[in-house]
Amino acid sequence: EAGVTQSPTHLIKTRGQQATLRCSPISGHTSVYWYQQALGLGLQFLLWYDEGEERNRGNFPPRFSGRQFPNYSSELNVNALELEDSALYLCASSFESVSSYNEQFFGPGTRLTVL
Amino acid sequence: EDQVTQSPEALRLQEGESSSLNCSYTVSGLRGLFWYRQDPGKGPEFLFTLYSAGEEKEKERLKATLTKKESFLHITAPKPEDSATYLCAVQAWYGQNFVFGPGTRLSVLP
Repeated sequence: EAGVTQSPTHLIKTRGQQATLRCSPISGHTSVYWYQQALGLGLQFLLWYDEGEERNRGNFPPRFSGRQFPNYSSELNVNALELEDSALYLCASSFESVSSYNEQFFGPGTRLTVL
Repeated sequence: EDQVTQSPEALRLQEGESSSLNCSYTVSGLRGLFWYRQDPGKGPEFLFTLYSAGEEKEKERLKATLTKKESFLHITAPKPEDSATYLCAVQAWYGQNFVFGPGTRLSVLP
């Protein structure tokens, strides 16, 4: 069974540009989570999408946005890039159910470098 | 506010030297506590889910336990390939977000 996939693996942008990151969840998973992991720091929650809707967002500015498509894949957009946006961006997927425990499974990440 | 702390920040062990990593949490209504392993530059790899105090889970040289305030990840006779950062996360019943701890960076020397 294929795991969570992310593209691209690496992305280099300059300050002020826009970046688009993509994620395909595990088959059957309806929820996608996005996290930012800056060098040497922990995972910071960015966004949660479930069934095509944004369910929650972390403490990040509005220039971080995204969407989830009907096939449950997702993309993260970062506008007006700043140097401090350089980080590993991780996507995770899970099967959401109020009656079950929903482990999140992570993709390999996209390394975004802002110059 | 849900919080997760992990200790120690870094741990160096000799191969075969057993030890434990700690994850302390505060959450109003624990739905699940999760352990992950992360290698440098890669996504976290799921290890265990613990649901209630007293529960234990084992996988190879790893054993995770849970109390009402903390979880331990015991590593028995570690090998160099166990070197990684170990992350702990909690999920509350009232929300879906995972709150991650800062991790413990484990180095196992041959």
